[in-house]
Amino acid sequence: DIQVTQSPSSVSASVGDRVTITCRASQGISYSLAWYQQRPGRAPRLLIYAASRLQSGVPSRFSGSGSGTDFTLTISSLQPEDFATYYCQQANGFPITFGQGTRLEIK
Amino acid sequence: QVQLVEFGGGLVKPGGSLRLSCAASGFTFSDYYMSWIRQAPGKGLEWISYISNTGSSIYYADSVKGRFTISRDNAKNSLYLQMNSLRAEDTAVYYCARESVVTYLFDPWGQGTLVTVSS
Repeated sequence: DIQVTQSPSSVSASVGDRVTITCRASQGISYSLAWYQQRPGRAPRLLIYAASRLQSGVPSRFSGSGSGTDFTLTISSLQPEDFATYYCQQANGFPITFGQGTRLEIK
Repeated sequence: QVQLVEFGGGLVKPGGSLRLSCAASGFTFSDYYMSWIRQAPGKGLEWISYISNTGSSIYYADSVKGRFTISRDNAKNSLYLQMNSLRAEDTAVYYCARESVVTYLFDPWGQGTLVTVSS
C-alpha cells in the first residue's frame, strides 16, 4: 500500500500569511495527488488534483506542486475562511490513502 | 445542482448490522463511479469502498473487507453500504462521494451520516 505522510500536523498563521503544507508518498506516484479542505463540521472539498491543477471554483491563492514522492500545497495569502484542515490523497490506485491531515489555525 | 444525501446512520451494538444509503441527484448517477469514505471522531479520512458505474468493479479497504458490502441501484439513483459484524472502531461519520473528472478522486461529497457502535 502507498502511504502518504503530511507535515506539519498543525500550523498557526495569520490572515495574509503564506503557508506551505507538504505531503510525501511512500513510493513514486507521478502526479497522482490531490488536496482537500475540510472546514469544521463540513464534508471535505476537492481543491487541487493532478498535483497542481486547481479544481473549478477554487481561489487562485491555492496552488500545488510536486511529482513522484514529494508534493506541496501553498496558500499565498491566508483568508479567514482558509482556516481548516487540509488532507492530501494519493490517486495512484487501490487502496486509496489519505494523509493524516494538517490543521491550519489562526495565530 | 449535484447533491448527495446519506442516511441510515445511528447507534448499533457491537456485532450488529446497519445499512447506509446515499441518494444522488443533479447528475446522471449511472455515469459515475462512487465511493464510501469514513472519518472517526476527531480523526482523519479513510477510504473504505469503491464501485464502478455499472457495479461490475468493486474494491474494499482491508479494514472492512468481508464485513461491508457496497452496492448501487442506478434506477433509484442510490448507493448503499451494508455493514455487518460492526466493531467499536467502525464508529465514524460515513460519507458517500462521487468520483471527480479524474480517476480515484472525490468531488462532491455528501454531508455524512454518523454511525456509532457501542453497547
